[in-house]
Amino acid sequence: AQSVTQLGSHVSVSEGALVLLRCNYSSSVPPYLFWYVQYPNQGLQLLLKYTSAATLVKGINGFEAEFKKSETSFHLTKPSAHMSDAAEYFCAVTGGNTGFQKLVFGTGTRLLVSP
Amino acid sequence: DSGVTQTPKHLITATGQRVTLRCSPRSGDLSVYWYQQSLDQGLQFLIQYYNGEERAKGNILERFSAQQFPDLHSELNLSSLELGDSALYFCASSETPGQPSETQYFGPGTRLLVL
Repeated sequence: AQSVTQLGSHVSVSEGALVLLRCNYSSSVPPYLFWYVQYPNQGLQLLLKYTSAATLVKGINGFEAEFKKSETSFHLTKPSAHMSDAAEYFCAVTGGNTGFQKLVFGTGTRLLVSP
Repeated sequence: DSGVTQTPKHLITATGQRVTLRCSPRSGDLSVYWYQQSLDQGLQFLIQYYNGEERAKGNILERFSAQQFPDLHSELNLSSLELGDSALYFCASSETPGQPSETQYFGPGTRLLVL
């Protein structure tokens, strides 16, 4: 079975500070990993995904994530937080060749950005 | 805007009732997925349809059922509703039956409140 663990249900940063949202995965097959963002009262939007092409993945809005197999991690970072980054962030995993893609989500991390 | 539409946006009903949630996938997408987001269970995969056929099942209760129609829109039917069914229900779509690396595009969700 696959799973992801997101450390920290809430992360607070100041505007302009580094954003680091942690995600560790567990998978018996090579994983594919995703970060989605959910703004208030909206659906989930894909930020970026790891599909084994490159370990450092760049996404939208200045976010990036690095796949580290040795640490089973896929942490999300952004060098400088903006007020508009305040949202809930979900890490998700899938994998295998089962012919269907079931996204397994973490519990989410709410990012709070203060002026 | 992901291109996935869901109706209604909000639904308030009473225990024991039955409701139908509707989803239209992005143009060209043949797969539809349903997810439930609740405070206690987080984001959970319920069921997937591909081109009208059920493809995969997740943590979907027997009181819940879904179908995908020839025009590819999908409906999620929830019956004998309980207070614990109150949640945000998301629909997502993708092109294929489920390549693990494929992006799923999420709709804005239907917020169900059972009183």
